[in-house]
Amino acid sequence: EAQVTQNPRYLITVTGKKLTVTCSQNMNHEYMSWYRQDPGLGLRQIYYSMNVEVTDKGDVPEGYKVSRKEKRNFPLILESPSPNQTSLYFCASSSLAGGKWNEQFFGPGTRLTVL
Amino acid sequence: GNSVTQMEGPVTLSEEAFLTINCTYTATGYPSLFWYVQYPGEGLQLLLKATKADDKGSNKGFEATYRKETTSFHLEKGSVQVSDSAVYFCALRGSNDYKLSFGAGTTVTVRA
Repeated sequence: EAQVTQNPRYLITVTGKKLTVTCSQNMNHEYMSWYRQDPGLGLRQIYYSMNVEVTDKGDVPEGYKVSRKEKRNFPLILESPSPNQTSLYFCASSSLAGGKWNEQFFGPGTRLTVL
Repeated sequence: GNSVTQMEGPVTLSEEAFLTINCTYTATGYPSLFWYVQYPGEGLQLLLKATKADDKGSNKGFEATYRKETTSFHLEKGSVQVSDSAVYFCALRGSNDYKLSFGAGTTVTVRA
């Protein structure tokens, strides 16, 4: 089954304790992206990657890091989490075909609480 | 830059009522327009899309028409069901672009 998976689905942590949220897709998609969803703000892009070893900042990158060592994986790293990073996080992926980007497939989400 | 504005919720309806969620956009060129749906506890799923002016996207009884003259992409369903309770997001992707810009989302609750 074609899908985007994220782990963990739920996480409660404390300020300053480094954490990683994993994202994996099995569709051989070139493009992967991380979003955070906050009430009244919709989804805002954190980081994205156009392919292996190619990453770039989205609209709200502060406090986050990513890496793309393999095509299927795109982990989100919070080196020193703070309470304002409490949010619902989504990973998404997409492919390029005929010079056009196809629809984005989303993972199930990770609900992060930073105390 | 590109932006999407959608009507604020929450919206509460009775079963079989008519649903409209307004969405307007700002973009240069000819963006593609999307509606995504997020059911409780799940990720976003593509509901429908339109890639050029006057296109109508449709799926699961929902429809939306790409109106370039009014820069709008309003979502409609003629008779909602309890299972349509979800958060609905309008989104756009610029011409030859990879990035999606989302509206704030509209929470819809349908009561039996």
